[in-house]
Amino acid sequence: ETGVTQTPRHLVMGMTNKKSLKCEQHLGHNAMYWYKQSAKKPLELMFVYNFKEQTENNSVPSRFSPECPNSSHLFLHLHTLQPEDSALYLCASSPGTGEKLFFGSGTQLSVL
Amino acid sequence: KQEVTQIPAALSVPEGENLVLNCSFTDSAIYNLQWFRQDPGKGLTSLLLIQSSQREQTSGRLNASLDKSSGRSTLYIAASQPGDSATYLCAVRPAETSGSRLTFGEGTQLTVNP
Repeated sequence: ETGVTQTPRHLVMGMTNKKSLKCEQHLGHNAMYWYKQSAKKPLELMFVYNFKEQTENNSVPSRFSPECPNSSHLFLHLHTLQPEDSALYLCASSPGTGEKLFFGSGTQLSVL
Repeated sequence: KQEVTQIPAALSVPEGENLVLNCSFTDSAIYNLQWFRQDPGKGLTSLLLIQSSQREQTSGRLNASLDKSSGRSTLYIAASQPGDSATYLCAVRPAETSGSRLTFGEGTQLTVNP
């Protein structure tokens, strides 16, 4: 285990569904991130939270809604997604925002 | 805008061979550079992080070098093993911001054949 746990590991949803991805870190880190990894593309940063406050939103569509209730937990709420949103969604954490990243195993999302 | 390129995109070698993976970046104003490995369908595992003031970092059979002025980093893997088969990604962190925005390359897919 890496110390960063993501659930579920796999998710299939229809375009009208609402679902949430969960990330939990047990490393005592203060920064948490959501990344998207699509086939044949580099990882894309989506959101950054530092001490529970959102510090970056990389022009992500509003159908993706992050939530960070505390420094250990991060959620990504999904609503009315498109098939092109199918990807591996990775959560990461770091002690501070300029430091080494530790990744979870990801949620493989398929939107039908 | 920072761009990160990794060459080759794929590499297949016999077990025991020493090999070099390349990473180049267009903007030399970086805070640090990190190498990761990713197994199929899994998250990323951090291998080595080199600060902009450093020239290299070593961990076991891995050695990463950084030449910031020329915008290049290499990951050297000694005595490769089948368990090294994975995709290797490099990522650079910019110097001018708080440092949260990494730019990733597309990765080199390595296969080590027994």
